[in-house]
Amino acid sequence: DAGVIQSPRHEVTEMGQEVTLRCKPISGHDYLFWYRQTMMRGLELLIYFNNNVPIDDSGMPEDRFSAKMPNASFSTLKIQPSEPRDSAVYFCASSPLKGQGSHEQYFGPGTRLTVT
Amino acid sequence: AQKVTQAQTEISVVEKEDVTLDCVYETRDTTYYLFWYKQPPSGELVFLIRRNSFDEQNEISGRYSWNFQKSTSSFNFTITASQVVDSAVYFCALSEQRTGGFKTIFGAGTRLFVKA
Repeated sequence: DAGVIQSPRHEVTEMGQEVTLRCKPISGHDYLFWYRQTMMRGLELLIYFNNNVPIDDSGMPEDRFSAKMPNASFSTLKIQPSEPRDSAVYFCASSPLKGQGSHEQYFGPGTRLTVT
Repeated sequence: AQKVTQAQTEISVVEKEDVTLDCVYETRDTTYYLFWYKQPPSGELVFLIRRNSFDEQNEISGRYSWNFQKSTSSFNFTITASQVVDSAVYFCALSEQRTGGFKTIFGAGTRLFVKA
């Protein structure tokens, strides 16, 4: 089975540009999470969805960040406009709803974003 | 409040040594889940184990073992006869049920160096 797929794997952009990160969760998983990892702040939850509905976006840093999940197999995280302090590795993860796999998260390979 | 503390920032051992990674958590919930994830140098986060709050049985999987003690709010991870391939950052995580989903927080991670 394919795991969580993220694209692009690396993104280098200039300050002020729009950045869109993409994620395809594991088929059949009901939860989708977006995390940001930096040396200073560690692994931070930005937002998560349950059945395509955003449940908790309290971790989204500011209005420049937005996330969507138009269907069960696709989600985007957009930063507009991007700033150098947004440079980080962004992970997408998915999780099954309940049962033996409850609460386990399966992570994608991450997108390394560099904003210059 | 939800909190996960991994007091060991970095650990360095020589191959074949045993090593224990500590994790202490705080929660007010009676039902919760605990996890360990591994992040090797390649960057992806890999799920290792899940424990729910009702199951205090220790678990062994090959060279890996986990000791869950509710009395001390600890969920420690031991690698026996460490190998160079065990070099990674290891994260402990706590997950609690919330309306519409669940909330997971990660510890700061422990970086393990295994030298040949």
